[in-house]
Amino acid sequence: AQSVTQPDIHITVSEGASLELRCNYSYGATPYLFWYVQSPGQGLQLLLKYFSGDTLVQGIKGFEAEFKRSQSSFNLRKPSVHWSDAAEYFCAVGAPGGADGLTFGKGTHLIIQP
Amino acid sequence: DAGVIQSPRHEVTEMGQEVTLRCKPISGHNSLFWYRQTMMRGLELLIYFNNNVPIDDSGMPEDRFSAKMPNASFSTLKIQPSEPRDSAVYFCASSPGPLTYEQYFGPGTRLTVT
Repeated sequence: AQSVTQPDIHITVSEGASLELRCNYSYGATPYLFWYVQSPGQGLQLLLKYFSGDTLVQGIKGFEAEFKRSQSSFNLRKPSVHWSDAAEYFCAVGAPGGADGLTFGKGTHLIIQP
Repeated sequence: DAGVIQSPRHEVTEMGQEVTLRCKPISGHNSLFWYRQTMMRGLELLIYFNNNVPIDDSGMPEDRFSAKMPNASFSTLKIQPSEPRDSAVYFCASSPGPLTYEQYFGPGTRLTVT
């Protein structure tokens, strides 16, 4: 079965600075990979997804993520964060053709300093 | 598209009462998922359906919890009797493809059991 780890529970970044959120997965082949964002009191919103092909994926709100097979990672990046990016971020993994749905990480809480 | 619709958005009930949460998935989506989110346990998958058929309910915590999907546009999650430890935010999500494709989340129902 697949699993996903988000090593950082909290991250604090200054507004305007760059951001990288880490995500590591465990799966025997190339999985489907996703990043979601959850603002306070809201549901989870899909930021981007990776199924195959180009390992650098562009998403909404200026986010991108890079799939690195050798490191079993799918880190989320943004070159310059805005105060509105403060939220909880979840990485998720799915097994292609599997029947178990998606496995979500425990989330990383992003704090933006003015 | 209106997205995934959940009702009610907030529910406050007394211990022992029956609670029914409702979900309307995105039209055309053939998979539906129910999650529970708490501070202590994070995001937990309770049950999911594919083409209205329950696939895996191993995440349902107890027999007090039940879910149905009578048709492609409606699902319910029922708790009977409710207990204070059931207090959480319950999310419904739907997916347009196989079970490991991206999921689209509703806004959630915040349940408080007193």
